[in-house]
Amino acid sequence: QVRLVESGGGVVQPGRSLRLSCAASGFTFSGYAMHWVRQAPGKGLEWVAAISHDESKRYEADSVKGRFTISRDNSKSTLFLQMNSLRREDTAVYYCARVGSSWYNAFDVWGQGTMVTVSA
Amino acid sequence: QSVLTQPPSVSGAPGQRVTISCTGSSSNIGAGYDVHWYQQLPGTAPKFFIYANNNRPSGVPDRFSGSKSGTSASLAITGLQAEDEADYYCQSYDSSLSGWVFGGGTKLTVL
Repeated sequence: QVRLVESGGGVVQPGRSLRLSCAASGFTFSGYAMHWVRQAPGKGLEWVAAISHDESKRYEADSVKGRFTISRDNSKSTLFLQMNSLRREDTAVYYCARVGSSWYNAFDVWGQGTMVTVSA
Repeated sequence: QSVLTQPPSVSGAPGQRVTISCTGSSSNIGAGYDVHWYQQLPGTAPKFFIYANNNRPSGVPDRFSGSKSGTSASLAITGLQAEDEADYYCQSYDSSLSGWVFGGGTKLTVL
């Protein structure tokens, strides 16, 4: 069964750091590009970051560039999002999602999400 | 302000047909990038729903269909049912932003 499970969310003060993880199972993780997508409370979906299957390419949204870093460990089938200098506006549910063979394919598998709350 | 524009809400009675529009620009939908749609039921993660403009993954009823023309795309739902009540999001890639973009989402209400 194809599955993505996020973890690492919680309450953090503005300016601090947090690292999210996304454990993959049921498919060959190293064969897929992966993304992080977030959703602020009561708001829509916002793409955050993407990484190619072999880590050779990484992309971040302007809203997080320079503060968030996406990475992966294919030996452990795990995706990461290192979030530094957190701001209140980063408060959201963070989802990891899988993409098929092309960068422009749909996000065909989603995790259940992990909540990040940035508050003093 | 989302790069892809969707109506905030649409509604219809059971059995009716509704459409949800997704308007982009020459750097995303108009540039030929595929449009995908996701369904999000309350309190759950988004679900892969329509891919590459007009394709349904297994398990999605054929009452749902997608289309794309020029700088816009649409999701059509026929024979509306109560369980179709959800938020629907369109998504594509934007070459000017070098990133993936979503519509603001449309809340479908079945009256």
